Amino acid sequence: ENVLTQSPGSLSLSPGERAALSCRTNQSTSIAYFAWYQQKPGQPPRLLIYGTSTRATGVPDRFRGSGSGKDFTLTISRLEPEDFAVYYCQPHAGAAFGQGTKVEIK
Amino acid sequence: QVQLQQSGPGLVKPSQTLSLTCVISGDSVSSNSATWNWIRQSPSRGLEWLGRTYYRSKWDTEYAVSVNSRIVVNPDTTRNQFSLQLKSVTPEDTAVYYCARATVKKGYGLDVWGQGTTVIVSS
Repeated sequence: ENVLTQSPGSLSLSPGERAALSCRTNQSTSIAYFAWYQQKPGQPPRLLIYGTSTRATGVPDRFRGSGSGKDFTLTISRLEPEDFAVYYCQPHAGAAFGQGTKVEIK
Repeated sequence: QVQLQQSGPGLVKPSQTLSLTCVISGDSVSSNSATWNWIRQSPSRGLEWLGRTYYRSKWDTEYAVSVNSRIVVNPDTTRNQFSLQLKSVTPEDTAVYYCARATVKKGYGLDVWGQGTTVIVSS
């Protein structure tokens, strides 16, 4: 079973700052299906990045996904107020999710 | 525009079967380029993928190991929907349940989600 570890568990930053979220797997993972999701309170998760680095429809270019093998990263270049949320990684649609990274306003 | 509309009871007694339905609009449950998924979320277990159904010249299903002995996901082509049945529920099955589509066009990312159904397991 592919076990995912996201770090940090939470991140306290100010608008305009850069956020770097890590997701590590215990098995080498195909870059073709690796995805990131954003979730705000009371809403279902929203697909942010798929195929490791492709932004989903309507996702601004300040979001960037990268990685390969067992290490994947989601970078938000300049945090906007609407970016404060919880972010989850998933190696493919039928797999376990990471436990999430909460990006909070400092 | 693809939409998923969930329905089902919000309260289920322990040992009974949890049943939810997800109605699809704007796509087909028989699509060769999509899979139809159930996911749940609780404070203790986080986001948990439960199972999926899909059609690739024949119907197939896949389930998470954690619920494999208790879960059934079925397509319904006449109503263009799919369903979740989770048997012998316990309070640990209390969660928000979501249906979601994964499509090959989005690298099989879960790109469309239902609104979520809060299910409480309690007598």
